[in-house]
Amino acid sequence: DIQMTQSPSSLSASVGDRVTITCRASQSISTYLNWYQQKPGKAPKLLIYVASSLQSGVPSRFSGSGSGTDFTLTISSLQPEDFATYYCQQSYDTPLTFGGGTMVEI
Amino acid sequence: QVQLQESGPGLVKPSETLSLTCTVSGASLSTHSWSWIRQPPRKGLEWIGYVYYSGSSNYNPSLKSRVTISLDTSKSQFSLRLTHVTAADTAVYYCARLVPCSSTSCRQADYWGQGILVTVSS
Repeated sequence: DIQMTQSPSSLSASVGDRVTITCRASQSISTYLNWYQQKPGKAPKLLIYVASSLQSGVPSRFSGSGSGTDFTLTISSLQPEDFATYYCQQSYDTPLTFGGGTMVEI
Repeated sequence: QVQLQESGPGLVKPSETLSLTCTVSGASLSTHSWSWIRQPPRKGLEWIGYVYYSGSSNYNPSLKSRVTISLDTSKSQFSLRLTHVTAADTAVYYCARLVPCSSTSCRQADYWGQGILVTVSS
């Protein structure tokens, strides 16, 4: 299985901050990397697919980059509604696997 | 508007079979793949498997011996069966739609159900 490692596991930030979350794959996955946002008690929401494509309806302050084994999710200016847990997921090979999550707190 | 809704019992006894159904509206099951993903309390996400629109399936090896995912296009539903459950199978179970692989996308879950908590306990 391809292991996905996210860092940090949690972070504290303020409204307006630039936030960066990283995800590392245990082997090269090209750009087959997706990012999700999950709020408490809710289903995950797709933000970014194939590393850098913005899902329809997602604010442009979210961006993704990377290829191979190292990927980044960036929130350019953190908004109150962005406090949540973020997960990466590789879709290069089955079993599809997720990172352990990054909780973004106030 | 694509919507998915999980249904099924919220409590299952150990060693019995967990059965859930996902009803899809606003989309045809004859495209995309349809997936189950679970999340134990206060933990991360685990992919269970998916069924292709053709009816063939792909399962997580860690669960493969116990899992069946099937499609019923006439009812616009797909289902999960997980046999011989234990407390470790207690989780919120989500159904989701997976986008097919192409030059611009691959197996991202673009629509999700709200999730259903299934507790395994006697």
